Parts: sequence; structure tokens; C-alpha cells
Amino acid sequence: DAKTTQPPSMDCAEGRAANLPCNHSTISGNEYVYWYRQIHSQGPQYIIHGLKNNETNEMASLIITEDRKSSTLILPHATLRDTAVYYCIVLGYTGKLIFGQGTTLQVKP
Amino acid sequence: EAGVAQSPRYKIIEKRQSVAFWCNPISGHATLYWYQQILGQGPKLLIQFQNNGVVDDSQLPKDRFSAERLKGVDSTLKIQPAKLEDSAVYLCASSSGGWVRSGANVLTFGAGSRLTVL
Repeated sequence: DAKTTQPPSMDCAEGRAANLPCNHSTISGNEYVYWYRQIHSQGPQYIIHGLKNNETNEMASLIITEDRKSSTLILPHATLRDTAVYYCIVLGYTGKLIFGQGTTLQVKP
Repeated sequence: EAGVAQSPRYKIIEKRQSVAFWCNPISGHATLYWYQQILGQGPKLLIQFQNNGVVDDSQLPKDRFSAERLKGVDSTLKIQPAKLEDSAVYLCASSSGGWVRSGANVLTFGAGSRLTVL
């Protein structure tokens, strides 16, 4: 399964867009990029996933580069409740989600 | 739909004692996972079930950990005997599977069971 690299921490001002980068340079052609987040003392929560095209849902947008070696999760208007650890994961053929260290996003008032 | 249910939420035991955690996945979900999350780290996959069969248990410390999924629904994770380093949150997740065909495998996680070993 392809590994991912994320910055350990980021800050964002409340109401502004939060852009969380992820590098997955060894991704294979049929592997999906998934994003989960984990708010303190809760289980991880699914946000979004994509293969090649950009995706948008009610929570976030996912931008995947044309070569698929990196992606960015965008929270368009961050709130204090978006403070969490965000995990970028590449889903391999086994169907296993292998979590890394993630990015701790701190949204500040 | 109801979420993934786990119990107990908290458990404190002495080292060398045993403990069991229970998970009830979302109805109809064929795939069930147990993860271990040590404080400050990302979740680590311990075991993956497809219906009542084990797909992957390569990271499960089989000398002390065991897991079963009776009738392909509920699952139990047991630790016997517990060590200090087993202190962690044990997360259960389930999914409908089908990723081989569609590439989509959205896992839904429970709130977790926090274990403290003294």
C-alpha cells in the first residue's frame, strides 16, 4: 500500500479556508485517496475520497494533481469544531486503511 | 442508520489480567476491523474480518490477543494476559466492502474502548 506524507501540524483562522496537503508519490493507478479526521476522544470520521477527479461534498473538497502524486483537502470555511487530526490514506487492493500520523489542524478564533 | 456500537467505553485492569471488548457493526456490513490507537499515534490495524473469516491478522499479537466474529455479525477482541503497553483505545470499524469492484471502502468507526493497564 502506498505511503503518504503530511505536515504534522497546521493552524487556520476561523472562517478562512483550511488547505491540508498530502504527498502520495508512490500511488498506483487504481488506488484511491481517502481523508478521515479524528476529533479528540472520538473515532475517525470519513470525510471524502477520490481517484483522479476533484471531488466535493458537504464537508470538504478534494483536489488531486494530474499526476496523482499529491492531493489537498480543502475545508472552505473552517470553524472551531474542525479542530482535529486529519489523515490522508491511500487505499490499496487489500481494502485496508493504513493510518499515518496525520496533520493536527488547529482552528483559531 | 445506527452506528458502530462498542463496549465498554472505559476499562481499567491490572497487568496480567484479561479483558474483552465487544463490537456491533452497522447492519449488513460484511467487513469488520479492529484497530489499536496508542496515545499520540494514528490507529493501527490489528485484524480484518470479511463476514466471519479473517482476511488479515498480520499485526495481531497472537500470543495474547484473540478476536472472533461469530456468525459474521458481532465481534469480540480479547487480551490475555494484558501488558502495560496494551494501554490504548481499541477502535472497531465496519464497511460494506466491495472495494475490489468499485475501489470504494468507506469505514465507519465506533467511539472506541479505552483500556488502561496498571
